[in-house]
Amino acid sequence: AQRVTQPEKLLSVFKGAPVELKCNYSYSGSPELFWYVQYSRQRLQLLLRHISRESIKGFTADLNKGETSFHLKKPFAQEEDSAMYYCALSEGSNYKLTFGKGTLLTVNP
Amino acid sequence: NAGVTQTPKFQVLKTGQSMTLQCAQDMNHNSMYWYRQDPGMGLRLIYYSASEGTTDKGEVPNGYNVSRLNKREFSLRLESAAPSQTSVYFCASRLAQNEQFFGPGTRLTVL
Repeated sequence: AQRVTQPEKLLSVFKGAPVELKCNYSYSGSPELFWYVQYSRQRLQLLLRHISRESIKGFTADLNKGETSFHLKKPFAQEEDSAMYYCALSEGSNYKLTFGKGTLLTVNP
Repeated sequence: NAGVTQTPKFQVLKTGQSMTLQCAQDMNHNSMYWYRQDPGMGLRLIYYSASEGTTDKGEVPNGYNVSRLNKREFSLRLESAAPSQTSVYFCASRLAQNEQFFGPGTRLTVL
């Protein structure tokens, strides 16, 4: 069975500081991993997917198969980055997503 | 395009009442999903429909039923609501090999 672990429920940083949101996964196949973001009381939206290898809003994430990790990083956090972040792993041809429990990021002024 | 829409936005039920949550998408997506979001639990898949005419159970299907009415619409029914079903419900849709797009959510409280 696949599993996604986000070890931090809460993460608080100051504006301009680097931020790293951790995500570890267990999956026997070849994983496809995503980061979704949910701003306060809004719908979830895709932030990053590992196969695209692009940077969105200054965030990057690298899939490390050896460490089974897909950590989300940003060198300089902004107040508007405050949100709930979910790591997710896709499963099979039906493209079901298994989500981690989420990390609430707060960027303080 | 409206994307994924859900109705109602809010609902309060008494234990034992029934209701149907509606979801529609106008992106011609094949697959649709229902999730529930609970504090500290993340999003958990209730049911999904890989294509029109098919539905399958997800991680937490007990107490729910679904109907894929047509390609656009995927409804979630609570036959006899329980307080444990108090949650925020999200519908999502996906075109093959692409990301899932989420609706705005329905906040359900069962008293």
